[in-house]
Amino acid sequence: AQKVTQAQTEISVVEKEDVTLDCVYETRDTTYYLFWYKQPPSGELVFLIRRNSFDEQNEISGRYSWNFQKSTSSFNFTITASQVVDSAVYFCALSEANSGGSNYKLTFGKGTLLTVNP
Amino acid sequence: GAVVSQHPSWVICKSGTSVKIECRSLDFQATTMFWYRQFPKQSLMLMATSNEGSKATYEQGVEKDKFLINHASLTLSTLTVTSAHPEDSSFYICSARELLGLAETQYFGPGTRLLVL
Repeated sequence: AQKVTQAQTEISVVEKEDVTLDCVYETRDTTYYLFWYKQPPSGELVFLIRRNSFDEQNEISGRYSWNFQKSTSSFNFTITASQVVDSAVYFCALSEANSGGSNYKLTFGKGTLLTVNP
Repeated sequence: GAVVSQHPSWVICKSGTSVKIECRSLDFQATTMFWYRQFPKQSLMLMATSNEGSKATYEQGVEKDKFLINHASLTLSTLTVTSAHPEDSSFYICSARELLGLAETQYFGPGTRLLVL
């Protein structure tokens, strides 16, 4: 069974601090995708990144960076110089394929509520 | 990026009425859409997978006669909550799956807040 664990329920930082959100996953699939989504108070989930299981390169996008390590089954997300607008719930997710290889379903972690204080 | 719309954004209805929620992929075709339910301060719970031109696949514990799903075109899926009751009050979110080559991503709609009185 697929499982995504976000051990940090809530994190509170002061603006300009760096913060890392942890994500650990479990899967028996050799091919899978990992995602991060941001859910601000408005409720809409915003896609941040997709990483496939064969690409372990870390990625940086502006103040965001992601560290994917298959050896520890982790896909951590770091925000550098955090801002108040970064306050949101962040979800890590893992996609699986059904027996037919289509209809990829997402397994979500429970989310981490990040609060960035001015 | 891919855009998914959802309508209505919120709805208040009386117990016993049916409510229809629309999910549209605006700039891409989606053969597969998904319907989720989210309770306050909780994660998303997948309700069903909606496939264009075929019956939806429901997750265990989700009543298919209660939550009717129709995926009539490559850009539209609808969820109808039939005979809604207060316990059906929740935040319903749809997503549409975009497939580019071998890479797939689910893009989410803004959600629909349902309150059943």
